[in-house]
Amino acid sequence: EAEVAQSPRYKITEKSQAVAFWCDPISGHATLYWYRQILGQGPELLVQFQDESVVDDSQLPKDRFSAERLKGVDSTLKIQPAELGDSAMYLCASRRAGQETQYFGPGTRLLVL
Amino acid sequence: AQRVTQPEKLLSVFKGAPVELKCNYSYSGSPELFWYVQYSRQRLQLLLRHISRESIKGFTADLNKGETSFHLKKPFAQEEDSAMYYCALSTTSGSRLTFGEGTQLTVNP
Repeated sequence: EAEVAQSPRYKITEKSQAVAFWCDPISGHATLYWYRQILGQGPELLVQFQDESVVDDSQLPKDRFSAERLKGVDSTLKIQPAELGDSAMYLCASRRAGQETQYFGPGTRLLVL
Repeated sequence: AQRVTQPEKLLSVFKGAPVELKCNYSYSGSPELFWYVQYSRQRLQLLLRHISRESIKGFTADLNKGETSFHLKKPFAQEEDSAMYYCALSTTSGSRLTFGEGTQLTVNP
């Protein structure tokens, strides 16, 4: 069964450094989501793509976060510079057109020191 | 703005006992409600959605628009039901999910 892939699974970085996460959605899923989950809370959307276009980035801290999905397939989320408060789990999810179910990846756990 | 509240962070029951995980929401329109589950060392996955009105793994959830609730219920809990459960809301088809903070369910033998 196809799954959403994410890498790396774990990342430790120092504050002010740049960090990047990668997501490969299930083949054929046009919609891709990046969520951030702080410990003890539910996931919160950072950015949503429809193919290569951003359709919702209202919660993305644009001064330090950027996301792209250049060919409408895999996606990269970048943080520069990282801050201590960015320590969290970053989840990627994808969805097939016409269906409601979002399929989640295993996440990337980020620790900023 | 929409909001989802799960009042219990932790819930512990014995095997065979009924279980109810509470979820309340606030949204002025007609939302779509979901329950997602995360078992230990596994990824977050959909358990059920209110539109389908189905029972998955013995769990059911009824949308009560008057009380703005979508509680998850199971008449006889099993040890394998131990997991983190998240209630989530979507305002339009395919839009972002707004999650509650989750309830950690432990089913004791």
